[in-house]
Amino acid sequence: DQQVKQNSPSLSVQEGRISILNCDYTNSMFDYFLWYKKYPAEGPTFLISISSIKDKNEDGRFTVFLNKSAKHLSLHIVPSQPGDSAVYFCASSNTGKLIFGQGTTLQVKP
Amino acid sequence: EAQVTQNPRYLITVTGKKLTVTCSQNMNHEYMSWYRQDPGLGLRQIYYSMNVEVTDKGDVPEGYKVSRKEKRNFPLILESPSPNQTSLYFCASSLSLWTSGGSTDTQYFGPGTRLTVL
Repeated sequence: DQQVKQNSPSLSVQEGRISILNCDYTNSMFDYFLWYKKYPAEGPTFLISISSIKDKNEDGRFTVFLNKSAKHLSLHIVPSQPGDSAVYFCASSNTGKLIFGQGTTLQVKP
Repeated sequence: EAQVTQNPRYLITVTGKKLTVTCSQNMNHEYMSWYRQDPGLGLRQIYYSMNVEVTDKGDVPEGYKVSRKEKRNFPLILESPSPNQTSLYFCASSLSLWTSGGSTDTQYFGPGTRLTVL
């Protein structure tokens, strides 16, 4: 049973616009959430995280929002750049162990 | 340069032929982990190690073995590979499982090993 779900396999946006990637989880015990970015032929790299005691965390162009009642988190990228084109994984944790979603491929068109 | 290295990066083998994928980190990290990435399933944890000589099963450990004799190395062993183990494998490490602030520590991933079992 998939505890962390990214229901959109792919997303295409225009350069300069906002990219919104979504993630749903089922385990209410998760207390930490992360986003990783992955380029082809490379390993995932950490992007941004949020603790369950917060509902928003911002780092430059990247903002993660957490809605605990809906068990939903989202990653906003503003403005989107062609270099943001990658696979984005959300991950959740409650014991330190990470549970990953299936990933969303983002394409930012020039 | 701080990094996690994996070897080989690509491997094609046949069913039943034992193989080892090596993983090494130079960051003095205590926590190391192996994941496999499959289409539509994301990254799933195979095994992890909290420290030297301490290993435990992840979500999909069947058909795999690991060892942690030294802090820097965490090899993944497939004693008798089968076609369903064809996948992209990632090793990851972090300083510990938890940060001093109580949050999950950031994991650093290797570049991946693409394994095909015929």
